[in-house]
Amino acid sequence: DGGITQSPKYLFRKEGQNVTLSCEQNLNHDAMYWYRQDPGQGLRLIYYSQIVNDFQKGDIAEGYSVSREKKESFPLTVTSAQKNPTAFYLCASSIRGGQGRTGELFFGEGSRLTVL
Amino acid sequence: GNSVTQMEGPVTLSEEAFLTINCTYTATGYPSLFWYVQYPGEGLQLLLKATKADDKGSNKGFEATYRKETTSFHLEKGSVQVSDSAVYFCALTGANFGNEKLTFGTGTRLTIIP
Repeated sequence: DGGITQSPKYLFRKEGQNVTLSCEQNLNHDAMYWYRQDPGQGLRLIYYSQIVNDFQKGDIAEGYSVSREKKESFPLTVTSAQKNPTAFYLCASSIRGGQGRTGELFFGEGSRLTVL
Repeated sequence: GNSVTQMEGPVTLSEEAFLTINCTYTATGYPSLFWYVQYPGEGLQLLLKATKADDKGSNKGFEATYRKETTSFHLEKGSVQVSDSAVYFCALTGANFGNEKLTFGTGTRLTIIP
């Protein structure tokens, strides 16, 4: 079945370590997104990519990095520069642009990162 | 910039009660409006959407009408079930062509008791 796969589902990190969260989609979507979810704050956009080899900062990009070398993959690295990385991270994808755009995002099941 | 304001939760209702979750927005132009639902331990799923003023989105007994004059998109259901317990997010996309970034509200946790 088509969908978005995030891994790992749970991840623990020591302070000062970088970690990479994986996101793979087989929906043939052009656009991919990373959101961070914290209690009481909804979802905030970290980075997004509308096409391979191109990505843009979202609202809270500091301390994060991404790459988009393949259409299907959009990994997120949480660096040691991110001051408060403990959160639930959600990856999403969508069909990009066009007159028939719906704005619908398809989400993965999320990765919960805990810094010890 | 764009913003979404949602009714704060948590909301607790008895089964078969009527549900309203308020959502208002600020945006330039004519954004598309959405309700997403997040069941425990899962990602978000699209519940319903409306892409122009006066459109009504509906799905699984839930409805919401795009009200341009009041900049609102309130979610309603006539008779809730225990299985509706989840977190509900109101969201909008930019009105500009090709701008599919979603702006989310903070979410409303709904608990239905039997």
